[in-house]
Amino acid sequence: AQKVTQAQTEISVVEKEDVTLDCVYETRDTTYYLFWYKQPPSGELVFLIRRNSFDEQNEISGRYSWNFQKSTSSFNFTITASQVVDSAVYFCALSPRGSTLGRLYFGRGTQLTVWP
Amino acid sequence: DAGVTQSPTHLIKTRGQQVTLRCSPKSGHDTVSWYQQALGQGPQFIFQYYEEEERQRGNFPDRFSGHQFPNYSSELNVNALLLGDSALYLCASSDLAGDADTQYFGPGTRLTVL
Repeated sequence: AQKVTQAQTEISVVEKEDVTLDCVYETRDTTYYLFWYKQPPSGELVFLIRRNSFDEQNEISGRYSWNFQKSTSSFNFTITASQVVDSAVYFCALSPRGSTLGRLYFGRGTQLTVWP
Repeated sequence: DAGVTQSPTHLIKTRGQQVTLRCSPKSGHDTVSWYQQALGQGPQFIFQYYEEEERQRGNFPDRFSGHQFPNYSSELNVNALLLGDSALYLCASSDLAGDADTQYFGPGTRLTVL
C-alpha cells in the first residue's frame, strides 16, 4: 500500500521564524520519488522540490531545505526565516515507480500561517 | 512558456447532471493526470492519459471518464453528478519521455453540485 501521512494539520509561526513540516510515507516499492507542493489560497499546486529514493543527501535551496531519511521513511521540509507569503497549505507526495508509475499519492496537507 | 490551463474556473451543477472539464498541458508535455481534491483533503488520483489512452486509474466509479486529444489536451467528464462530487478538480501534466515523475498542476476547476 502507498500512503503519505502529514500529522501536523496546522502550524502558526511569526515571520522570520524557521518552520519544519513533517512527512512520513509508506511504500513497498524500492524506487520512488518524494515531492513537496505548495497550495496558496488560489488553489494551484506549486511544485517545490523532488527527491528520489536513491539520494538521501539533504540539500538547501534558498530558504528551503529538506531532510530525507529512508530508515524512518520521513521526508521533512524546512522553511528558514519564514515570510507572510509562505502562508499556504503544503502537501507531501509520493510517486512510486512500480505498477503505479506516474501516479501521485498525497498527504492531507499542513496549513502554514505566517503572521507578520 | 504557458503553464497548465484549465476551464472553466468555477462551475455549479445540480444532482444528476453531467459536466465536462477541460485541460491544456504545459508546453512540451504529453501526459495528463486528473485529481479530485475535496475540501480539507489532499488530491486524489482519478486517472492518467498518454497517447490518447487511459494508462491507469484510481478508485473512482465509471461515472468519471476522460479523453485525450491529439494535441495532448484532455477532458474529464462526470455523469450523474452527486453532492459528493463537489470538489476542486486539478489537472496535471508531465513529460513521459523526459522528467515523467514531476507533475505540474493547473489552477483547478471548482465544481459545486447542488
